[in-house]
Amino acid sequence: GENVEQHPSTLSVQEGDSAVIKCTYSDSASNYFPWYKQELGKGPQLIIDIRSNVGEKKDQRIAVTLNKTAKHFSLHITETQPEDSAVYFCAASMNSGYALNFGKGTSLLVTP
Amino acid sequence: ETGVTQTPRHLVMGMTNKKSLKCEQHLGHNAMYWYKQSAKKPLELMFVYNFKEQTENNSVPSRFSPECPNSSHLFLHLHTLQPEDSALYLCASSQGARTKETQYFGPGTRLLVL
Repeated sequence: GENVEQHPSTLSVQEGDSAVIKCTYSDSASNYFPWYKQELGKGPQLIIDIRSNVGEKKDQRIAVTLNKTAKHFSLHITETQPEDSAVYFCAASMNSGYALNFGKGTSLLVTP
Repeated sequence: ETGVTQTPRHLVMGMTNKKSLKCEQHLGHNAMYWYKQSAKKPLELMFVYNFKEQTENNSVPSRFSPECPNSSHLFLHLHTLQPEDSALYLCASSQGARTKETQYFGPGTRLLVL
């Protein structure tokens, strides 16, 4: 089955700096890679996703890159703000079935 | 708000109790999911329903029993749980049950089994 590794598990940056979270996956047939943000007391919320026919996607301060050859994808947050503090999860689609496989999450802390 | 609501938000139960978790989605979606979220672990998919039919059961113990009476409502019936079942239980929905569909999550039910 699919295995998604996510690093780092915790990340602390100063406000205004960039943050990068990386994920690797094992199933070369995976073709959909969403990123979720989970704030305290809430469920995960989709912030950006990328499909395998695209190498990069950007939405304001958030960008995701995908390297299918190396089987890894990354989340980039620029000009971080304290409200970006949350747990971020990457996920990869499975080749069969209906599920997404999630990474273990990265706890991001943005300090003023 | 994501359009997916869950009740109760918090639940404490003994190992001999029977309780139910409820999920409702107001998005007109056809697929609904139950996930278990434990500390320092990836989200674990438990069940998938597509057009009210269960399409996936990820080897979940029988003490967890799902029910999907219609495409908008999903229940998780709990009985004789174990302390290790304490976790955040998340409900999600998507337009269809294909992996490329965006899943929208509810806020979760924080369950504590004593």
